[in-house]
This record gives sequence, C-alpha cells and structure tokens, in this order.
Amino acid sequence: NAGVTQTPKFQVLKTGQSMTLQCAQDMNHEYMSWYRQDPGMGLRLIHYSVGAGITDQGEVPNGYNVSRSTTEDFPLRLLSAAPSQTSVYFCASSYQGRYNSPLHFGNGTRLTVT
Amino acid sequence: AQKITQTQPGMFVQEKEAVTLDCTYDTSDPSYGLFWYKQPSSGEMIFLIYQGSYDQQNATEGRYSLNFQKARKSANLVISASQLGDSAMYFCAMREGAAGNNRKLIWGLGTSLAVNP
Repeated sequence: NAGVTQTPKFQVLKTGQSMTLQCAQDMNHEYMSWYRQDPGMGLRLIHYSVGAGITDQGEVPNGYNVSRSTTEDFPLRLLSAAPSQTSVYFCASSYQGRYNSPLHFGNGTRLTVT
Repeated sequence: AQKITQTQPGMFVQEKEAVTLDCTYDTSDPSYGLFWYKQPSSGEMIFLIYQGSYDQQNATEGRYSLNFQKARKSANLVISASQLGDSAMYFCAMREGAAGNNRKLIWGLGTSLAVNP
C-alpha cells in the first residue's frame, strides 16, 4: 500500500523557472492538500481539493496553481519560481466529511530556488 | 487569534522517563478533533494519535496518550518511557467539525523534543 506518493524528493530551480510537484494517493481519499513548511512558521496550507474538479485556496496560494482531474492525483505547479518559494512542500490526503480522519502525508519535497 | 498553541518550543527528557507536550486550542465548535503528529529529522510527518471532542475516554496508542481536558481546552501528549527515537518535532492540530470550514486542519508551531541517553 503506497499511501501518498510525492515526487521529486529534491529540486533546485532558478528564479523564473516553472515546475510541477507530483502527488498521488491510492487510498481513495476525497480531500487532498498541499502545505509548505518553513522554519518557525509551521505548516501553511497552499491549496486544497475536496474532490475531482474542485479546488480552493489555502492561506498562501500566490504563485502556485493546482488542478484535480482525478481522485488520485493533485499536482502543484509553480508558475514562475521565486526565492521566497524555497521551502519543504508536503502533499497530504484524508477522507472528506469525517472530521476524525487524519491527514496522510507524502514524504515531502525540498525545493530550493536560487 | 491563534487557534492552536504549543507553548514549549523545545523540551528535553531523559531516556525512559515520561514527558508531556502541551497543546491548547480555541474553538466554539462543539464538534472537533485533535491530532498529534511526529516529524523526525528525516522529515516525514507521522500521525500519532487522535482525540475527538465527544470521546469519553482519553485516547491511547501504545506509549502515546492524550491528557484531554475539554473544559480547559487542552490536549497534551504524554509519551511514556521515552526512547532515543522519540527525538523529533511534535505538532498538535485541530479540525473543527462544522461543514463550512472544509475540514482544514489548524496547526500549532510545534515542540522540539530531545531525548537524552
């Protein structure tokens, strides 16, 4: 059982480049989300989705784009990378509509923008 | 206003001793759930334990237990018989039950635990 699979594990970008972080889950979770984690700032929600075709913004959505064409996949796109987007990114999923459902996390992507 | 507060940025504990990591929360929703996660230095986020607002008993999972005091709005994590592998960052999080909030988790800033041999 793979759980939440996130790729790549590490990435270095130059300012202005674009890239897509991939996230896939095999638990049939309706809810999927992307977080960024920065020192001293905890986990901040970037975008989330409550089902295929439905996405919404979290706390820090600027500079990021998402789509949800299938239940399994929830890619995060950086449109034009900036040094401020240097961070560790986590994809996480859970059942929707059950407030006792824990988030299951991918292993994270460490992104450096130079 | 901060909805999840973890007041201890860093904690030390001797191996084999018990340690309590504090978490206080703020909500007016009668239905909510509280979660604790562990993040070791390798970086992954590991779900440890869950406590629901209507649960009659404190949650336990192996060496982890929750000291849930609803009236005080606290959900402290107790780790018994600490091991070196418990050294990690620990996060408390809350999900409110009201349908309008889209089930987002609200996170604390974490407590760094170091277990000394």
